[in-house]
Amino acid sequence: GENVEQHPSTLSVQEGDSAVIKCTYSDSASNYFPWYKQELGKRPQLIIDIRSNVGEKKDQRIAVTLNKTAKHFSLHITETQPEDSAVYFCAASFYGDSNYQLIWGAGTKLIIKP
Amino acid sequence: NAGVTQTPKFQVLKTGQSMTLQCAQDMNHEYMSWYRQDPGMGLRLIHYSVGAGITDQGEVPNGYNVSRSTTEDFPLRLLSAAPSQTSVYFCASSYSEGEITIYFGEGSWLTVV
Repeated sequence: GENVEQHPSTLSVQEGDSAVIKCTYSDSASNYFPWYKQELGKRPQLIIDIRSNVGEKKDQRIAVTLNKTAKHFSLHITETQPEDSAVYFCAASFYGDSNYQLIWGAGTKLIIKP
Repeated sequence: NAGVTQTPKFQVLKTGQSMTLQCAQDMNHEYMSWYRQDPGMGLRLIHYSVGAGITDQGEVPNGYNVSRSTTEDFPLRLLSAAPSQTSVYFCASSYSEGEITIYFGEGSWLTVV
């Protein structure tokens, strides 16, 4: 079946440095790619998303890039802060026989070291 | 708006017991879904509904039933609990099916012993 691979599973960076999380998807027809942030014990929340007609999208310190040819997309966080510590999930849209689904990556635990 | 409300937040079940996780949303969303989250596995779709009276299976439906009698409510029923169903369960909703923001409930931590 379709899948999304997410790397790394854990990422530790110094406060103030940048963090990059990468996802690769299998369905070439996927055209929507959201990123969700989940703080410890909390619910996942959308932080940014990108559609296939756009190569890059920015929102303050976070950005997402998409390479449709290579079927991968990445989350970039600059000037990391302690509140960025969380698990980040990527996802890719998938259209099955009769329905639409999001296929999720396994998550990346981001640790910001003071 | 309260958003997506799930109950209970924590539950311990014995193997073979049944129970229902409740989910309600007050945003008039048509699309509702249930996910389970296991460590290292990300989010896996159990069942979903595109509107009242319509439900369908997701990636991991076995052992679970759902119903959607109203737009607001989407309960998830565990038929005969098994230790493999120990997980965190999230209910989610969105305005429609498709490429838009999904709103999650706070989660229900279920342990089956």
